[in-house]
Amino acid sequence: DVVMTQTPLSSPVTLGQSASISCRSSQSLVHSDGNTYLSWLQQRPGQPPRLLIYKISDRFSGVPDRFSGSGAGTDFTLEISRVEAEDVGVYYCMQATHFPQSFGQGTKVEIK
Amino acid sequence: QVQLVESGGGVVQPGRSLRLSCAASGFTFSSHGMHWVRQAPGKGLEWVAVIWYDGSNKYYAHSVEGRFTISRDNSKNILYLQMNSLRAEDTAVYYCARWADNRKWDYWGQGTRVTVSS
Repeated sequence: DVVMTQTPLSSPVTLGQSASISCRSSQSLVHSDGNTYLSWLQQRPGQPPRLLIYKISDRFSGVPDRFSGSGAGTDFTLEISRVEAEDVGVYYCMQATHFPQSFGQGTKVEIK
Repeated sequence: QVQLVESGGGVVQPGRSLRLSCAASGFTFSSHGMHWVRQAPGKGLEWVAVIWYDGSNKYYAHSVEGRFTISRDNSKNILYLQMNSLRAEDTAVYYCARWADNRKWDYWGQGTRVTVSS
């Protein structure tokens, strides 16, 4: 099974500053169809997960452009620019290239 | 708008059974695969099971294979998770999630809590 490893596990950020979360997979996430099915999810306190980014860098409907994804192969990054109070929560990377799909451990973003 | 509403959670003794439901609305349910995902208290997300849009294929996490069964009723727009031989480690909030194009899991329910305890 593919293991997803996120760093850091905790990220204190000042309001208005940027946050960056890394995600590394134990094998390449490039599918035989040429796509890379790497997503990012946000889970605010007491809420279900919410899709932010799919296929490395495509923002889901309604997601602010402060959220951006990048990367390739086995290394991926979620950037949150101009962090707002509503961005507090846990962020998960998730791969859907290989079966079974798997999640990172989560990165907690909090305000300093 | 797309809505997924889970129900059926509760407190159950080890070894007993429980059936979860996920009622879907706002989209063509029969066109989408569906997943169950769980989250133990204070922990991360764990994929549990998936079912194809027409029910033709079903797959399970190793931790639940042989004990849990995923199914769906496309005439009623409901997804199910039958959980048998429950263990303490099955204690979690269970979410259903829609499987969409580009393999994205685009909508999630609010979750239903299952507690396995004597």
